[in-house]
Amino acid sequence: DAKTTQPPSMDCAEGRAANLPCNHSTISGNEYVYWYRQIHSQGPQYIIHGLKNNETNEMASLIITEDRKSSTLILPHATLRDTAVYYCIVRGPSGSARQLTFGSGTQLTVLP
Amino acid sequence: GAGVSQTPSNKVTEKGKYVELRCDPISGHTALYWYRQSLGQGPEFLIYFQGTGAADDSGLPNDRFFAVRPEGSVSTLKIQRTERGDSAVYLCASSLPGGRSTDTQYFGPGTRLTVL
Repeated sequence: DAKTTQPPSMDCAEGRAANLPCNHSTISGNEYVYWYRQIHSQGPQYIIHGLKNNETNEMASLIITEDRKSSTLILPHATLRDTAVYYCIVRGPSGSARQLTFGSGTQLTVLP
Repeated sequence: GAGVSQTPSNKVTEKGKYVELRCDPISGHTALYWYRQSLGQGPEFLIYFQGTGAADDSGLPNDRFFAVRPEGSVSTLKIQRTERGDSAVYLCASSLPGGRSTDTQYFGPGTRLTVL
């Protein structure tokens, strides 16, 4: 699976959009981009995933660049409960390794 | 519905002892994963079950670590002759039948293991 690069930490004001970047320049054409987050003392929580197109669900939006070498997770209206470590993960398709390979992630702190 | 549960939530043991950590996956999830997370780091893969069999155990650090899933549901991670370096949070995750492109993994709260 391709390696990802994320900033170690970011701050965001409560109520504003949080934009978390991820670089995955070695991603292959059939690899997906996944985002998980981990709130302190809890297990990781799935947020969203995508292949080529932008995706949106009730939690967040995922914007993937046209060349697929980077992506941005957007939390539209961050709350204090969104403070967590956010992990960007590239994962192969069916038939490849099924485990998730976590990096160090980005510590997002939402400030009141 | 119920999520992934793990017991115990905390386990303190002495160096050299044997421990068992239990994972109850979401009902109907045939894929089950174990990860280990050291302080300040992301989770690291240990082993993956598809049904009763270990489909990938490449992440187990050595032969002191072993995991079973005899009936394809509950799994137990077993650690023999524990060492202080085994201290970590052990996470379990489950998903719908593995092998699909986009099977989402759902994680339990973890078991914090401390080896004194």
